[in-house]
Amino acid sequence: GAGVSQSPSNKVTEKGKDVELRCDPISGHTALYWYRQSLGQGLEFLIYFQGNSAPDKSGLPSDRFSAERTGGSVSTLTIQRTQQEDSAVYLCASSLAQVPRTDTQYFGPGTRLTVL
Amino acid sequence: AQTVTQSQPEMSVQEAETVTLSCTYDTSESDYYLFWYKQPPSRQMILVIRQEAYKQQNATENRFSVNFQKAAKSFSLKISDSQLGDAAMYFCAYRSDGANSKLTFGKGITLSVRP
Repeated sequence: GAGVSQSPSNKVTEKGKDVELRCDPISGHTALYWYRQSLGQGLEFLIYFQGNSAPDKSGLPSDRFSAERTGGSVSTLTIQRTQQEDSAVYLCASSLAQVPRTDTQYFGPGTRLTVL
Repeated sequence: AQTVTQSQPEMSVQEAETVTLSCTYDTSESDYYLFWYKQPPSRQMILVIRQEAYKQQNATENRFSVNFQKAAKSFSLKISDSQLGDAAMYFCAYRSDGANSKLTFGKGITLSVRP
């Protein structure tokens, strides 16, 4: 079946603009995760959704970052007033989240964000 | 908080040879899961192998196997009969036990395969 998809693949924006990144998880996956991959910080967790609620937002770096998930499916990560340090690859992952011992996160191809 | 350390930023291996990628982690938990993910230039993270901490037997997946040393908090990946397609960045990751939990990643290691 289809894997996790993300759009856009690449996004170039100017400092101060808002951007929206989209993630389509694997059908039936109730858990959804956002991660950020940057040269200086490596791979960092941002936020986790179970269904439409976000029980763990601990990784969001500032209040400029927000995310929502609707219909237990598509998620959007929004970055307001982008800064150059926001430049990174934003990865989305999803999992079935039914049996913890066998739960596996499957990743999308990521969105490369460049803030000029 | 858990931490994952991959101290080697780069490694190189001759095609058909064996290579071992190192990973150590720090945790106070007794139940957890460990993963190796592969990230080729396409950016898509691909699960290579997983290990449950409660299992003493080391996981294997075809040419990939792990050496899991729970007491030493070490989790290395061995790639046998290396192929050109194995060239990628490899990340070691930790996940706590529980219904849903974020992955904590190491910095990654870039593996190159010489023909």
